[in-house]
Amino acid sequence: SYVLTQPPSVSVAPGQTARITCGGNNIGSKSVHWYQQKPGQAPVLVVYDDSDRPSGIPERFSGSNSGNTATLTISRVEAGDEADYYCQVWDSSSDHRNWVFGGGTKLTVL
Amino acid sequence: QVQLVQSGAEVKKPGASVKVSCKASGYTFTSYGISWVRQAPGQGLEWMGWISAYNGNTNYAQKLQGRVTMTTDTSTSTAYMELRSLRSDDTAVYYCARVYDRFYFDYWGQGTLVTVSS
Repeated sequence: SYVLTQPPSVSVAPGQTARITCGGNNIGSKSVHWYQQKPGQAPVLVVYDDSDRPSGIPERFSGSNSGNTATLTISRVEAGDEADYYCQVWDSSSDHRNWVFGGGTKLTVL
Repeated sequence: QVQLVQSGAEVKKPGASVKVSCKASGYTFTSYGISWVRQAPGQGLEWMGWISAYNGNTNYAQKLQGRVTMTTDTSTSTAYMELRSLRSDDTAVYYCARVYDRFYFDYWGQGTLVTVSS
């Protein structure tokens, strides 16, 4: 089955830029989606189809996807961005179609 | 506005079954699929399966095949997830989520904590 690899943690100072990666075999050929999850809350979609933002998500959140790595970029990081972030793809490469999540990355705002 | 409201927390003994509901509102229920995703304490998100609210077709994670059943009741716009033969490692928060265009989850329920303990 398809595997997505994320770093367990990323730390960044307020006002700086955070980059969270999501690795997968030829992930650039898939659409990647990103979710933010704060403690005790349900996940929230922040980027879909590699780089699109749902309504209500700040422009500070952006995404890119090429080769074997997709990246979620959060510009001008704020304390309220501290959360776990998960990447996700829909994998149809095998007989069994799956929705696959990365292991998650904890973003710490210093 | 789109809302998914789940049933309340459950405590079950090993070997028992649990059925969690997810009531949808704010959109045409049969136009979207519903997936179930669980999260064990301190762990990441695990996709469990998908059901079409249009025709009831399902697709389950191989790991849970044979133990999970997903259904819908279009008359009440409610999706259900039943998990059988519960084990301690099934202890988790279970989420329902609306599936957009079969690819991503645009709205989520608030989660239902299922605790499996003797």
